[in-house]
Amino acid sequence: DAKTTQPPSMDCAEGRAANLPCNHSTISGNEYVYWYRQIHSQGPQYIIHGLKNNETNEMASLIITEDRKSSTLILPHATLRDTAVYYCIVRANNAGNMLTFGGGTRLMVKP
Amino acid sequence: SQTIHQWPATLVQPVGSPLSLECTVEGTSNPNLYWYRQAAGRGLQLLFYSVGIGQISSEVPQNLSASRPQDRQFILSSKKLLLSDSGFYLCAFTGAYEQYFGPGTRLTVT
Repeated sequence: DAKTTQPPSMDCAEGRAANLPCNHSTISGNEYVYWYRQIHSQGPQYIIHGLKNNETNEMASLIITEDRKSSTLILPHATLRDTAVYYCIVRANNAGNMLTFGGGTRLMVKP
Repeated sequence: SQTIHQWPATLVQPVGSPLSLECTVEGTSNPNLYWYRQAAGRGLQLLFYSVGIGQISSEVPQNLSASRPQDRQFILSSKKLLLSDSGFYLCAFTGAYEQYFGPGTRLTVT
């Protein structure tokens, strides 16, 4: 799986949009971008994934650059409950569904 | 609906004692199952995965082992725990395209 690079930490004001960047410059053509988050002392939770088109669901939006070398996860209106570590993972769907977690970004939403 | 259970939630064990953590999945058949470990302040490390009964693949050499005696049951074991085995152990299974994680077991080896 391609390596990803994320900032170790970010702050966001409650009610504002949180934009979490991820670099994956060595991504292959068949690799998807996945985002998970882990709230303290809980298991990781799937957020969203995409291949090359932008994606949106009830939790977040995923913006993938045209060259696919980077992406941004957007939480449109961050709440205190969104405080968590956010992991960006790239993975081919034929890779046995295994996930390789990096260090992630620790997002702190502040009132 | 699909659910995943892990127990116990917390465990304190002395060095050299055995370990058995259990994970069960409901609402799905023949799932891929995974054991991860997360040391304090660190990311998740894949330990084992299984694509079927009796089929176990190990990602990291260690004094842990895994078994899958039934389709929806995954067990993590050790004969003798080390201090370095302390951590947060997570079981997961694969859905349509994402992984679902259990609530985890926090193991402290003293």
